[in-house]
Amino acid sequence: GENVEQHPSTLSVQEGDSAVIKCTYSDSASNYFPWYKQELGKGPQLIIDIRSNVGEKKDQRIAVTLNKTAKHFSLHITETQPEDSAVYFCAASPNQAGTALIFGKGTTLSVSS
Amino acid sequence: DVKVTQSSRYLVKRTGEKVFLECVQDMDHENMFWYRQDPGLGLRLIYFSYDVKMKEKGDIPEGYSVSREKKERFSLILESASTNQTSMYLCASRELAKNIQYFGAGTRLSVL
Repeated sequence: GENVEQHPSTLSVQEGDSAVIKCTYSDSASNYFPWYKQELGKGPQLIIDIRSNVGEKKDQRIAVTLNKTAKHFSLHITETQPEDSAVYFCAASPNQAGTALIFGKGTTLSVSS
Repeated sequence: DVKVTQSSRYLVKRTGEKVFLECVQDMDHENMFWYRQDPGLGLRLIYFSYDVKMKEKGDIPEGYSVSREKKERFSLILESASTNQTSMYLCASRELAKNIQYFGAGTRLSVL
């Protein structure tokens, strides 16, 4: 089955710097790769996702890149702000009804002002 | 907006008790999921259901069962709670067309 590795487990940056979180996956059949943000006391919320037919997707300060050959994808946050501090999870899934998302172990991002 | 509602934010139970965690979604999603979240271990899938009365074991089903009698409700059952089941439990439902999962706020369960 699918296995997702996520690095780093913790990341501390100064406000205004960029942050990069990387994930690798094992199942070449996976074709959907979402990123979730979990703030303290809340459930994870989808912030961006990418499907295997594109290599990069951007939404304001957040971007995700995908390299299907190498089986890795990354989250890039530019101009970080204190409110970006949270736990971020990557996930991978084949796009089928009978399968579930497999999550990485999460990255705790701390943005200090 | 999609809403996934978990019936309790915090629960304290005794060892050996039968525990029910309830989850309701309001978007007519076929798929629903139960995850367990522990520090350093991320989100681990316990069970999922791809339709009413259907269920599949996830990665850590031992000690748990589930019930899906109606499309909007997915229940997680701890038959005999143990201290190692103290954790945060997250429910999710999935919009099939876009393969997007929506999560509830979580239930923090303590078993004493």
